[in-house]
Amino acid sequence: NAGVTQTPKFQVLKTGQSMTLQCAQDMNHEYMSWYRQDPGMGLRLIHYSVGAGITDQGEVPNGYNVSRSTTEDFPLRLLSAAPSQTSVYFCASSLRTGREGANVLTFGAGSRLTVL
Amino acid sequence: AQTVTQSQPEMSVQEAETVTLSCTYDTSESNYYLFWYKQPPSRQMILVIRQEAYKQQNATENRFSVNFQKAAKSFSLKISDSQLGDTAMYFCAFMKQPPRDMRFGAGTRLTVKP
Repeated sequence: NAGVTQTPKFQVLKTGQSMTLQCAQDMNHEYMSWYRQDPGMGLRLIHYSVGAGITDQGEVPNGYNVSRSTTEDFPLRLLSAAPSQTSVYFCASSLRTGREGANVLTFGAGSRLTVL
Repeated sequence: AQTVTQSQPEMSVQEAETVTLSCTYDTSESNYYLFWYKQPPSRQMILVIRQEAYKQQNATENRFSVNFQKAAKSFSLKISDSQLGDTAMYFCAFMKQPPRDMRFGAGTRLTVKP
């Protein structure tokens, strides 16, 4: 059982480049989400999804795009990277309400992104 | 929007002693969950404990317990018999129901000293 797998673990980009952070889970979790972690600010929600084909914006969605074509995968796209997007990114997933273990987020190991 | 406040950026405790980390939150929701997550230097986010808002009984997990005061919107974490392995960032988090977004506090860096 791999849990939540994020790739890559480290990435350096130049301003204006695009890239996709991959997130996959093998626990059949309906809920998936992306957070960014910046010093002194905790984790802030970028986008989330409650099921395949359904996505919504979180606290800091600007500059990021997501899609959810399958239950397992939830990629995060940076269309035109900016230095302000330098951060550590976490993907997390959970079951939905009403089921044992619901609402407890399982996190990936994180991806450190640097934009020069 | 929900907000979560952790007023202690850093704390330290001697090994084997007890420490309490504070957390307050602001919400108009009546159905929600509260969590404490631990982030050691490895960067991995690890669930420490969770509390359902509809439960009056405070959650406990071995050496970890919470003091949940719903009316005061307070959710503190008590760590008993502190161990060196407890050294980490601790984040308080709030999630309304059904799960939509989870809001985190800014974190408290806890150092356990030998």
